[in-house]
Amino acid sequence: DTAVSQTPKYLVTQMGNDKSIKCEQNLGHDTMYWYKQDSKKFLKIMFSYNNKELIINETVPNRFSPKSPDKAHLNLHINSLELGDSAVYFCASSQAGAGTDTQYFGPGTRLTVL
Amino acid sequence: GQSLEQPSEVTAVEGAIVQINCTYQTSGFYGLSWYQQHDGGAPTFLSYNALDGLEETGRFSSFLSRSDSYGYLLLQELQMKDSASYFCAVRNQAGTALIFGKGTTLSVSS
Repeated sequence: DTAVSQTPKYLVTQMGNDKSIKCEQNLGHDTMYWYKQDSKKFLKIMFSYNNKELIINETVPNRFSPKSPDKAHLNLHINSLELGDSAVYFCASSQAGAGTDTQYFGPGTRLTVL
Repeated sequence: GQSLEQPSEVTAVEGAIVQINCTYQTSGFYGLSWYQQHDGGAPTFLSYNALDGLEETGRFSSFLSRSDSYGYLLLQELQMKDSASYFCAVRNQAGTALIFGKGTTLSVSS
């Protein structure tokens, strides 16, 4: 069973388009995250959701909007895509109060903006 | 804010021991984590230190000194499959998400 899954795995699109990435976790965790990893492998937090409430938003452009229909899902919608948005986007989940900083990552979505 | 420093690259041969250091600056400290990421793969959790000292998990160990704001990941009996990027991480100031270092690329040769 896949713990954290993302779709699609690859996404190639033109500048200016709008796209969404879906994420689901079956671990029963209460917190989910979106990270962006650039070409230099720098992994940066974008959003996290805890019990369907946004709790951080790290200076991410408002073209990016997370949507969480329930605590098992956290989707990422991106409007007006730009070249600089090309990166690998990882979804992750964790359980608050677990006593460690264990986060479980999805396989990633490689976004290429042309 | 939070920041972490780790070497960008480390090389070693099979069977050797390698240590990847991480120094951090934080406003509030919860613990130091380590993640492994193979090329094309997702980060996977390796270890977590909240208290000073050494935590051992098989061939991998992690150390923390809170007074020095320093930790390291020790990999023993290196294997080719250990070639990957290794990230240290701390929680952000609010404690709600992880801030990662820029990663150390470990290359193991035969």
